[in-house]
Amino acid sequence: GIQVEQSPPDLILQEGANSTLRCNFSDSVNNLQWFHQNPWGQLINLFYIPSGTKQNGRLSATTVATERYSLLYISSSQTTDSGVYFCAGRSDSNYQLIWGAGTKLIIKP
Amino acid sequence: GAGVSQTPSNKVTEKGKYVELRCDPISGHTALYWYRQSLGQGPEFLIYFQGTGAADDSGLPNDRFFAVRPEGSVSTLKIQRTERGDSAVYLCASSSTGGAYAEQFFGPGTRLTVL
Repeated sequence: GIQVEQSPPDLILQEGANSTLRCNFSDSVNNLQWFHQNPWGQLINLFYIPSGTKQNGRLSATTVATERYSLLYISSSQTTDSGVYFCAGRSDSNYQLIWGAGTKLIIKP
Repeated sequence: GAGVSQTPSNKVTEKGKYVELRCDPISGHTALYWYRQSLGQGPEFLIYFQGTGAADDSGLPNDRFFAVRPEGSVSTLKIQRTERGDSAVYLCASSSTGGAYAEQFFGPGTRLTVL
């Protein structure tokens, strides 16, 4: 099955900074999602982005399916952006989402 | 509209006891998934339902774990003879279809603690 790698594993930034989180996958995926898990454990859907670029406020994401990676951009970080960011992908051969280990983001005031 | 809901939010039980965890998917979603998340890790797949039937239960760790979805909506995950290693957050997700392109939406999870 596919494997998903996320980098960096940890990121500490000051409020207002920008950041880029990366997700690499070992094989082609046809479903790629980014999630934010808040400190209370809730997984919040950020983007469904099997290919192309999407933007939602201060967040944007780009997936280059042919090169098997996706990027999540966070601009003008706020303390509420803190938490763990996961990417997860799914291929034709399975029904489940395969998850990366996450990037733990801490935004300091 | 309502999202995926899960009850209870927390469950503390003793080793050897039986527990049931409930998931209410988004109305109209035909596909339902159970995942388990241990501290510091990403979720791990347990089982996938399309309608009433379990289409893929390859992630269930052993025969103490069982799940049902009798009417194609609400699902119950059942764990017999609980062990301390079963402690984790159990997450439920649903999608409008079971197709590979369908976006999955997650509930808040049930935190299970086995003493």
